[in-house]
Amino acid sequence: GAVVSQHPSRVICKSGTSVKIECRSLDFQATTMFWYRQFPKQSLMLMATSNEGSKATYEQGVEKDKFLINHASLTLSTLTVTSAHPEDSSFYICSANLAGGLSLFGEGSWLTVV
Amino acid sequence: RKEVEQDPGPFNVPEGATVAFNCTYSNSASQSFFWYRQDCRKEPKLLMSVYSSGNEDGRFTAQLNRASQYISLLIRDSKLSDSATYLCVVNPTTGTASKLTFGTGTRLQVTL
Repeated sequence: GAVVSQHPSRVICKSGTSVKIECRSLDFQATTMFWYRQFPKQSLMLMATSNEGSKATYEQGVEKDKFLINHASLTLSTLTVTSAHPEDSSFYICSANLAGGLSLFGEGSWLTVV
Repeated sequence: RKEVEQDPGPFNVPEGATVAFNCTYSNSASQSFFWYRQDCRKEPKLLMSVYSSGNEDGRFTAQLNRASQYISLLIRDSKLSDSATYLCVVNPTTGTASKLTFGTGTRLQVTL
């Protein structure tokens, strides 16, 4: 059945480096995917909408040059956190919608910047 | 006013209790509605879709009242494993490209 798979599930990186997180749709194609971040005990916050073959749409306050999104195929979107800082440490989750408006979420990626 | 409002809780209930969560949404044109469950440090997982006619899945019953823009979730015979955060989720369309709107979640703790 349809699944959204996210990788890596956990990553630790040094300040100033870049980290790439992958989000794949399995058994279905996703022209649109969504990227969220979530801080402890807070709600999911939408960062950007990833559009296959075109530029991502970023939410207000999200720096597009810092959070690079690439959606080069119908089954893969990537989020790259560039020049990571400790305050970027968070839980990053991707999702894709199925027909009917139902959203499937990836397993999430825990990023720790040290 | 928030687009989707939920009581954050926590709701502390004993095993076997019945507990109800409510959610209101502001966009009257919203098309699809869901309850998701999120466990600590995990991704949200679909619990059930919500329809005007109401729907039931085992111990869980969801209801949508479009006139009042209100969604509910009832959990009967609570289990320890029901402890989680329950997210009310609203989609303005039934399409694949629209952004979902999330409530902040209601935390449920079921105790012995």
